[in-house]
Amino acid sequence: GAVVSQHPSWVICKSGTSVKIECRSLDFQATTMFWYRQFPKQSLMLMATSNEGSKATYEQGVEKDKFLINHASLTLSTLTVTSAHPEDSSFYICSASIAGAKYEQYFGPGTRLTVT
Amino acid sequence: TQLLEQSPQFLSIQEGENLTVYCNSSSVFSSLQWYRQEPGEGPVLLVTVVTGGEVKKLKRLTFQFGDARKDSSLHITAAQPGDTGLYLCAGARGTYKYIFGTGTRLKVLA
Repeated sequence: GAVVSQHPSWVICKSGTSVKIECRSLDFQATTMFWYRQFPKQSLMLMATSNEGSKATYEQGVEKDKFLINHASLTLSTLTVTSAHPEDSSFYICSASIAGAKYEQYFGPGTRLTVT
Repeated sequence: TQLLEQSPQFLSIQEGENLTVYCNSSSVFSSLQWYRQEPGEGPVLLVTVVTGGEVKKLKRLTFQFGDARKDSSLHITAAQPGDTGLYLCAGARGTYKYIFGTGTRLKVLA
């Protein structure tokens, strides 16, 4: 149980275009989802916290107009990278917390974004 | 700003050796987790510690949460090549929001 999926697993896009990444909790309801970014050989950096039905909370330094997050249901959150640039190329990972489970979060497999 | 510093950053050891990875902060955390991540995959949770001084064991892995809940350690006994990976600690400042450490890349040679 507690499986989180991400789609796509990898994507290549041209500079200036927008890309949408989906994060789904497959067998549980996630009231809270988190989006992380990971550069090669580095740790995970939290970008934003997403609660179902409300606006996402962004970490300091993360542009909310560039990284649009929508958490429309208890099983789906999306991250849209708008007007992507090569410096946005990274590994994007989401995680989901089960409602009522105080400390647990389950990670998706990640999405590799390459902007050319 | 990285709140959680891990040491060492890189570690290459022979199979059968023991090792300890440290996770340090000046902040107090309500809970702390350890993860292992393989290349191109998401992190996999190893353990969650919530009480100061708590020690948890997972086969050859021993995790300890500092008394003041500011630091933690991961000790691996008799390391095996399958232990190779990126080890990450993550501390929670609230109930759900975790901040990740700088990471320790471990390579165990056969």
